[in-house]
Amino acid sequence: AQKITQTQPGMFVQEKEAVTLDCTYDTSDPSYGLFWYKQPSSGEMIFLIYQGSYDQQNATEGRYSLNFQKARKSANLVISASQLGDSAMYFCAMRERPNFGNEKLTFGTGTRLTIIP
Amino acid sequence: DADVTQTPRNRITKTGKRIMLECSQTKGHDRMYWYRQDPGLGLRLIYYSFDVKDINKGEISDGYSVSRQAQAKFSLSLESAIPNQTALYFCATSDSGIRETQYFGPGTRLLVL
Repeated sequence: AQKITQTQPGMFVQEKEAVTLDCTYDTSDPSYGLFWYKQPSSGEMIFLIYQGSYDQQNATEGRYSLNFQKARKSANLVISASQLGDSAMYFCAMRERPNFGNEKLTFGTGTRLTIIP
Repeated sequence: DADVTQTPRNRITKTGKRIMLECSQTKGHDRMYWYRQDPGLGLRLIYYSFDVKDINKGEISDGYSVSRQAQAKFSLSLESAIPNQTALYFCATSDSGIRETQYFGPGTRLLVL
């Protein structure tokens, strides 16, 4: 079974609109972390936002927020007021801790976001 | 200057050649990782190291080896490169805090002919 599922291979959004990128995850570990990364066409991986499994509030970082629904195992990224520079590939990732010292980061397959002027 | 650097940034090699990819970091992190990215598959973990004396296999370690020469340096070797190792390779680092956020280098594009 997929640990991280991103069901939207590609999205087109009008500039200045808000956009939600979907991510669902699967784990039996009670302690885990969820991350979103942005990969522009230049190729680098840029950290955007983090949500811990025990965090009570949804994470926010500037225009990015994470809609964390623990019971549904969902961690959607919301970008408010999208900009042309937001056009990129976006990856959801999860860090589990199945055994102490055996942490790993598992990535989804990504969503390609294109912002239309 | 970048916190995580990778050399080379691009490399073309032939089947059977030995090749080394190098990673250096100035973030002072103990933990370092090597991933590969293939189209449509996201990133997959090759090896990781939590300190100089610690090396662990990831999910796709076959055909690769690593060396942690110092806290700041972590190298990935392909002993005998094959075409299906053509990919984008990333080095990452993280601290041992609660978040353990991983910060990535710029990547190395490797083409094996």
